[in-house]
Amino acid sequence: QVQLQESGPGLVKPSETLSLTCTVSGGSISSYYWSWIRQPAGKGLEWIGRIYTSGSTNYNPSLKSRVTMSVDTSKNQFSLKLSSVTAADTAVYYCARVVAVAGNFDYWGQGTLVTVSS
Amino acid sequence: DIQMTQSPSSLSASVGDRVTITCRASQSISSYLNWYQQKPGKAPKLLIYAASSLQSGVPSRFSGSGSGTDFTLTISSLQPEDFATYYCQQSYSTWCTFGQGTKLEIK
Repeated sequence: QVQLQESGPGLVKPSETLSLTCTVSGGSISSYYWSWIRQPAGKGLEWIGRIYTSGSTNYNPSLKSRVTMSVDTSKNQFSLKLSSVTAADTAVYYCARVVAVAGNFDYWGQGTLVTVSS
Repeated sequence: DIQMTQSPSSLSASVGDRVTITCRASQSISSYLNWYQQKPGKAPKLLIYAASSLQSGVPSRFSGSGSGTDFTLTISSLQPEDFATYYCQQSYSTWCTFGQGTKLEIK
């Protein structure tokens, strides 16, 4: 059974960079797309972007200028960096596996709350 | 981007009821439509993919239909554990987008 676990600081100061890592266990990270999705409290889901195990990326155009994703296949991990954060970036951040053809998310991490505050 | 609009935004129903949630895309997305269930404090759970395919392990009372721009999620007989928020998601575009959610509450 594939499991995903997000990790990283729960508190980030405004204008700084949010950094999260997702560790995949129970299966290989190879040959899949992996995504980050976020959800502000009481609101809906927003796709941030995805990365393939080759390192190829696609980002949400509304966040593209601030987002960087990377992958470390040796550690079965992929990561998210979001720069110049503001309070509007406060949300629960999820990592998820993308099913190649259908484009749905079949495995999700439990989510991690990141608060942007000084 | 492709806008996804769900209706209703909230719904009250009773155990045993048949419930239908609608999702409309701002342009044709063929059958690239997925449905998720989310309970408070939990990650979304995939229910239906490719508009009508039931994800493994999901009860058969859940079903999906539609293509193009109009889609529905139907729960044939509501169970207590089905009260949650439901989201549709289009995966036609690389920039995938979600509906705003439908909160299903107990009447």
